[in-house]
Amino acid sequence: GAVVSQHPSRVICKSGTSVKIECRSLDFQATTMFWYRQFPKQSLMLMATSNEGSKATYEQGVEKDKFLINHASLTLSTLTVTSAHPEDSSFYICTASSEHNYNEQFFGPGTRLTVL
Amino acid sequence: KQEVTQIPAALSVPEGENLVLNCSFTDSAIYNLQWFRQDPGKGLTSLLLIQSSQREQTSGRLNASLDKSSGRSTLYIAASQPGDSATYLCAVPNDYKLSFGAGTTVTVRA
Repeated sequence: GAVVSQHPSRVICKSGTSVKIECRSLDFQATTMFWYRQFPKQSLMLMATSNEGSKATYEQGVEKDKFLINHASLTLSTLTVTSAHPEDSSFYICTASSEHNYNEQFFGPGTRLTVL
Repeated sequence: KQEVTQIPAALSVPEGENLVLNCSFTDSAIYNLQWFRQDPGKGLTSLLLIQSSQREQTSGRLNASLDKSSGRSTLYIAASQPGDSATYLCAVPNDYKLSFGAGTTVTVRA
């Protein structure tokens, strides 16, 4: 149980385009989803927290207009990187937790974004 | 703000040697602590989760201890194998968000 999927697993796009990454909880209802970013040889840094049906809460220094997060259902959250630039190239990981256990997060496999 | 530190940053050992990885955190009021493995270019694989009420957790050759009062956790990997080569990260919840250490990159030499 507690499986989280991400799609796509890898994406390459041109500078200036937008990219959407999906995060799905497959066998539980995820009241909260978290989006992390990991640059090469660095640890994971939290970008934003999204609760189903409400606006995402962004960490300091993360541009909310650039990284659009939607959590419209209890099983799906999306991260859209708008007008992507090479410096947005990174590994994006989502995690999800349920209302029954806020303190345990289940990890998606990650999405590798490369912006040319 | 919770700060998580992992020492050493990198470790290279011959096959068969036991591994000791350290994780320290500044705020001892944690609900749990989790150890992950990450292979190059891949996502995170959860290895062990220790609840705050536990002192250790074991899975096969892995054993993780937790000392909340001193803000430390240690991951022991017995009889290391080349397949154990990876980066190991620890993380603690902080207001439901996870704070990660920078990781220890382990190389096990055959």
